[in-house]
Formats: sequence, C-alpha cells, structure tokens
Amino acid sequence: GQQVMQIPQYQHVQEGEDFTTYCNSSTTLSNIQWYKQRPGGHPVFLIQLVKSGEVKKQKRLTFQFGEAKKNSSLHITATQTTDVGTYFCAWGGSEKLVFGKGTKLTVNP
Amino acid sequence: DAGVIQSPRHEVTEMGQEVTLRCKPISGHDYLFWYRQTMMRGLELLIYFNNNVPIDDSGMPEDRFSAKMPNASFSTLKIQPSEPRDSAVYFCASSFAARETQYFGPGTRLLVL
Repeated sequence: GQQVMQIPQYQHVQEGEDFTTYCNSSTTLSNIQWYKQRPGGHPVFLIQLVKSGEVKKQKRLTFQFGEAKKNSSLHITATQTTDVGTYFCAWGGSEKLVFGKGTKLTVNP
Repeated sequence: DAGVIQSPRHEVTEMGQEVTLRCKPISGHDYLFWYRQTMMRGLELLIYFNNNVPIDDSGMPEDRFSAKMPNASFSTLKIQPSEPRDSAVYFCASSFAARETQYFGPGTRLLVL
C-alpha cells in the first residue's frame, strides 16, 4: 500500500533560523495539501499543490511538489515565534485525505 | 460563515458514562469527517459521511463508538460507555468535495476519568 512519511517528527530552532519539513511517498501522489495546527488549536489549511514540480510561496513559506510527485516540502525562512505549531501534509486517497504524522516546530526566541 | 461548529468544547466525564459530541458543518459542504487526535496516535480519521451517508467507518475503534448524520447540518459522535483511553481531542471537519480542502472545527477536548 501507499507509504508516506513525514520528517522530521520534531524540530527546534532559534528564532531567525530556517525550517523545513518533508513528506515522502513510495507512490505518485495526485495532490498534496499542507496544514498548520497551533498549540491548542485545530488544523488550518495552508495550501494545495497539484502539478509536478510546482512551487508556491506565501510570504516566508515556500511549498514544493517534486517532479515525480512523490515528495513535497514546506520551508520557512527566518522563523518567528508565531510559526510554532505542528505542520501536517495530507494527500488524496480514494475519497478522503490522509494526514501525515506531522512535524512539531518549536522556536526559541 | 461561522465555520465548522463543535460542542461541547470541553467535556469531563467518568468512566462508563455516555458522551455525545456534536458538529455543524459548513453549509453546502457535502463531506463531513470525524477525527481523533492524541499524542501517541496523532490525527486519526474515525468516520466520514457524504451527503449524510456514512461512507467509511473503518477507523471507528470499536462498537462503543457510533456516529450519525440525520441531516446536512448536524452530526453526532457518541461513545457509550466511555473509557479513560478515549480521552483525546475530537475534531469534526467538512469539505465541499472529496479530497478537497478540509475545514476543521475547534475540537472537543474529552477527558474520561
């Protein structure tokens, strides 16, 4: 069956450092979505990637979808304390999204 | 739009008691999902509905869990009897179409003593 790994599980950075989380699949993905969950909050949609090699930016966040559509990354430039939370990738299954385990980001001010 | 609404936001109950969680999806969304989140197991899909019909309940842990969606604007997740291992945050989410963006409610934080 389809295997998708999200790494790392945890990441601690100093404020101002960059951060990257990855989702890697054993099979081709039709699309991938990214969500952010603040501590004590609920997952909130960030973006969807559909095309091979697609790159999208939201301010300091850069999202990429691999050429083979088997991997994706979320990169944050110059992290801020407001970036803390857990970042999830999610991919389309038969009729539902499947969420990765998430990467929990903590930022030391 | 008010977004997905869940109630109660917090629930503390004793083992053996019945717990009912409620959800109102975003109007016009055809899909409704129930998730459970714990530190150990992460975000787990319990069940989802399409046009009020349960499609996949393979994530429901056991017979103590049941979910209904009597109409397009209301769904319940019931645990009877509740056990301490059911303690978790339960999220309801809705989406316009399959595999599209899901909008999550604020969650119900359940503690079973």
